[in-house]
Amino acid sequence: DAGVTQSPTHLIKTRGQQVTLRCSPKSGHDTVSWYQQALGQGPQFIFQYYEEEERQRGNFPDRFSGHQFPNYSSELNVNALLLGDSALYLCASSLDRNPSTDTQYFGPGTRLTVL
Amino acid sequence: QKEVEQNSGPLSVPEGAIASLNCTYSDRGSQSFFWYRQYSGKSPELIMFIYSNGDKEDGRFTAQLNKASQYVSLLIRDSQPSDSATYLCAVIGMDSSYKLIFGSGTRLLVRP
Repeated sequence: DAGVTQSPTHLIKTRGQQVTLRCSPKSGHDTVSWYQQALGQGPQFIFQYYEEEERQRGNFPDRFSGHQFPNYSSELNVNALLLGDSALYLCASSLDRNPSTDTQYFGPGTRLTVL
Repeated sequence: QKEVEQNSGPLSVPEGAIASLNCTYSDRGSQSFFWYRQYSGKSPELIMFIYSNGDKEDGRFTAQLNKASQYVSLLIRDSQPSDSATYLCAVIGMDSSYKLIFGSGTRLLVRP
């Protein structure tokens, strides 16, 4: 049973550039959420995609955008990178049954460094 | 006030002891509560979830929920050095039905 996968593992970019991160959900899951985790902090919710639509968004600027494909995989795009965007980006997948109790499983993450 | 609060630690316990990790949350309407373990440089791994008041046991782990006190805890019995990690408490709130709200985590150190 394939778990959540993410690519790439590591990425180094310079300020002002754009980046695309990718995620494939766990087999059987249809919902993908993205989180940003700064060093020493807990993950912070960016947004969640379900049925190819952004269903909920956290407190992140419009520079952060995403997409979900018909096969449930997802992309996170960040434009005009800032130094403060350096973080571990986590994708979590779940099966949409009951939003209040759906368990989210995390992928290995993408470590983004902005220079 | 942070939505989910945890003591950052480190909490240091000897091997074989019970480790007790605590978490408080501010949204009284919160529905679901999760404990994740995160090793350094790795992603969070789900340990347990709990929805109802009381205790829930799974192997060496027990989650305890007290909604009246807005408090959730994780007990780890017979702690092992391999349990040394950061433990993240996460909550799904009533008006934020889809997102996990995380605390900053408690670092646990199990001494051999």
